[in-house]
Amino acid sequence: EDQVTQSPEALRLQEGESSSLNCSYTVSGLRGLFWYRQDPGKGPEFLFTLYSAGEEKEKERLKATLTKKESFLHITAPKPEDSATYLCAVDRGSTLGRLYFGRGTQLTVWP
Amino acid sequence: EPEVTQTPSHQVTQMGQEVILRCVPISNHLYFYWYRQILGQKVEFLVSFYNNEISEKSEIFDDQFSVERPDGSNFTLKIRSTKLEDSAMYFCASSQQGARGETQYFGPGTRLLVL
Repeated sequence: EDQVTQSPEALRLQEGESSSLNCSYTVSGLRGLFWYRQDPGKGPEFLFTLYSAGEEKEKERLKATLTKKESFLHITAPKPEDSATYLCAVDRGSTLGRLYFGRGTQLTVWP
Repeated sequence: EPEVTQTPSHQVTQMGQEVILRCVPISNHLYFYWYRQILGQKVEFLVSFYNNEISEKSEIFDDQFSVERPDGSNFTLKIRSTKLEDSAMYFCASSQQGARGETQYFGPGTRLLVL
């Protein structure tokens, strides 16, 4: 069964229009939740790691938050260069180092 | 900034042929991983590797696949007899200590096309 579900599948924003991406997970014993950015034909680029509910991390226009069931990636005043697919992955802890990925949210920011 | 590198960037092969995908993990990292991503689908775990041994492998990683660290810097994935369904992007990743919850850093990928 799906352990990591991301929504929406695709999101189109106008430049400057803030929004949030969702990652819900059903694993128990979460050891870490990861956000990656993936450009077309490229490898996942690390953004954030979150470990416990209530934790928040920020980087430029991005802010990631974590609850016991989901994580949000908030994008504030996005720019066209933020266009990419954003991937969420979890480390269940019961399996060393194996990450379970969601399908990603494809974000397009138009000028 | 240290990064994971992979070669080749693209590989085209005939069904039934052997391919070797190469990776150079970040230099002080001890744990290495292979993932794959079929076009339009999720990134999927294949195998993790530490201290010259497989730590864990997924159900995808069958007898056609093998991994090796032939020297102090390279980490390879071999597919012995490629199938059409092996066509995918293959990503190598590494982490420093392999601790649970530790960040994995990914390479740019090798796009494998099996004809």
